[in-house]
Amino acid sequence: DGGITQSPKYLFRKEGQNVTLSCEQNLNHDAMYWYRQDPGQGLRLIYYSQIVNDFQKGDIAEGYSVSREKKESFPLTVTSAQKNPTAFYLCASSIIASTYEQYFGPGTRLTVT
Amino acid sequence: DAKTTQPNSMESNEEEPVHLPCNHSTISGTDYIHWYRQLPSQGPEYVIHGLTSNVNNRMASLAIAEDRKSSTLILHRATLRDAAVYYCILRDSFNTGNQFYFGTGTSLTVIP
Repeated sequence: DGGITQSPKYLFRKEGQNVTLSCEQNLNHDAMYWYRQDPGQGLRLIYYSQIVNDFQKGDIAEGYSVSREKKESFPLTVTSAQKNPTAFYLCASSIIASTYEQYFGPGTRLTVT
Repeated sequence: DAKTTQPNSMESNEEEPVHLPCNHSTISGTDYIHWYRQLPSQGPEYVIHGLTSNVNNRMASLAIAEDRKSSTLILHRATLRDAAVYYCILRDSFNTGNQFYFGTGTSLTVIP
């Protein structure tokens, strides 16, 4: 089945450690996105990519890094520089057209203590 | 900047229609109106979108005001599975890279 996978579903880390969240899609979509969601809040864009080897910062990119070496993969690294990393992280993909919807993965809940 | 305004929460009785409003007074002529919904601890899912005309699909209907400054998502018969947070989003057709602004949405409670 086509879709977006994120792993793991739950992730626990100690403060000061970098952690990488996985996102894979087999929808052949050019664009991929990372969002962060805090309790009771909407989604905020971290990074997005429209083509392999290119990506742009979203509204809250500080403390995060991404790579897009393959069309189907867009991993997100939460670095130790991110002051409040505990959150629900969502990956999405879409065709590059405003009439087209975004498809979301199931999310990864990261807890840093 | 918030581009859309929605009520924080709404309630509906099961099997009754639900009208979820959204104001977007600063909408531009090239903005599409998208609706998504999110169940607890899941990623959002697409519901419907439109530009100027009213739209229908198997999930819902979208009614767009003539001046496009507001829209309404209509669930014709609410079920318990429709309890979710509903987001109204504007997407710019000329800037398609990142223009999905998710506000806090409307939390819909369906009462059995």
